[in-house]
Amino acid sequence: GDSVTQMEGPVTLSEEAFLTINCTYTATGYPSLFWYVQYPGEGLQLLLKATKADDKGSNKGFEATYRKETTSFHLEKGSVQVSDSAVYFCALTHPSGNTPLVFGKGTRLSVIA
Amino acid sequence: DAGVTQSPTHLIKTRGQQVTLRCSPKSGHDTVSWYQQALGQGPQFIFQYYEEEERQRGNFPDRFSGHQFPNYSSELNVNALLLGDSALYLCASSWGDRSTEAFFGQGTRLTVV
Repeated sequence: GDSVTQMEGPVTLSEEAFLTINCTYTATGYPSLFWYVQYPGEGLQLLLKATKADDKGSNKGFEATYRKETTSFHLEKGSVQVSDSAVYFCALTHPSGNTPLVFGKGTRLSVIA
Repeated sequence: DAGVTQSPTHLIKTRGQQVTLRCSPKSGHDTVSWYQQALGQGPQFIFQYYEEEERQRGNFPDRFSGHQFPNYSSELNVNALLLGDSALYLCASSWGDRSTEAFFGQGTRLTVV
């Protein structure tokens, strides 16, 4: 079945550092890929998405590119802020069928001033 | 425009008891999915309701059941609670029976003692 693997955290960075959170997936066909963010005590918020190969999703300075050849969707940000401290989840679904979201285990990011 | 709302926000139950969690979808959405997020894990799909019917189900026992009402709101019921049912329960709503634009509520934190 489908699965998502994320780099294990926690990840601790200083403010203005560069962020990469790795995500790889296993799925048949051409899934849609997502990054969700969960701030402390809150639910999930969609951060960005990409629906086909080579698409780049971007939002709030975060970017991720859908790489079909490496089955990856790594999250990057050039300069993190303390307010980016949260748990980040990579996820996939198949838009052509009625399939639920499949999530990775999440990566906790802590940004220190 | 109200987003996805869940109630209650926190709940403590005793082993063997039954619990009902509630979800109101985002305005304009007609599909509700439920996820269980154990501590330190990614959300796991429980089931999805569309047109008042359960359309898909994840790998959860029959103790987990649900319902969708004509106004699209939904309930998640869990019978014979186990300690392992302690988790954050997330409701996600979308339009139609696709997950590609799912919006999540802030969740109900269930603690079983």
